[in-house]
Amino acid sequence: GQNIDQPTEMTATEGAIVQINCTYQTSGFNGLFWYQQHAGEAPTFLSYNVLDGLEEKGRFSSFLSRSKGYSYLLLKELQMKDSASYLCAVRDEGGSYIPTFGRGTSLIVHP
Amino acid sequence: EPEVTQTPSHQVTQMGQEVILRCVPISNHLYFYWYRQILGQKVEFLVSFYNNEISEKSEIFDDQFSVERPDGSNFTLKIRSTKLEDSAMYFCASTPGVSGANVLTFGAGSRLTVL
Repeated sequence: GQNIDQPTEMTATEGAIVQINCTYQTSGFNGLFWYQQHAGEAPTFLSYNVLDGLEEKGRFSSFLSRSKGYSYLLLKELQMKDSASYLCAVRDEGGSYIPTFGRGTSLIVHP
Repeated sequence: EPEVTQTPSHQVTQMGQEVILRCVPISNHLYFYWYRQILGQKVEFLVSFYNNEISEKSEIFDDQFSVERPDGSNFTLKIRSTKLEDSAMYFCASTPGVSGANVLTFGAGSRLTVL
């Protein structure tokens, strides 16, 4: 099985930087995804990490350490529209290719 | 940009009734999925479908659930006899493949309310 842990809620100020952490325990590892989900909407893909290190994509970056079972999503120059849930999803290795989602971190950006 | 479309956006039904949720995956995608999200909870995998058969399913996907690809474009989820606890948002998703960075593209969801 998999265990994925994220903080439930975070708050930050417009223009600031926020880091959302995700830790996981899996029997194997075959990739980690970050998704953004606005209230009442579908998750949308943000980033994918399978090797250790940082992946940068505009204002969003994602980091992975496989040995520590740890990832973070870094959001820079926060905007009000970044208020959403951020979902960490991990894909196990072996037979299943289905990513398992964590509970998500609700980020509130205030002026 | 290609998208996954789902209908209906919201369905209200009485307990014990049958419900069919419909999805049109992205046209060149080969793998289709149903996930659900109970209000305030995490996104949970139900079933995946490839080459006209179920390739994987979770414990949630019991005998009350079935999936079908009745034609070349639609992918449906049927709940035979709905229960109160089936109330959730149901998301359809598709991917071109399954390895590497094959990313789930989700539809906007179908909100099911069971009374």
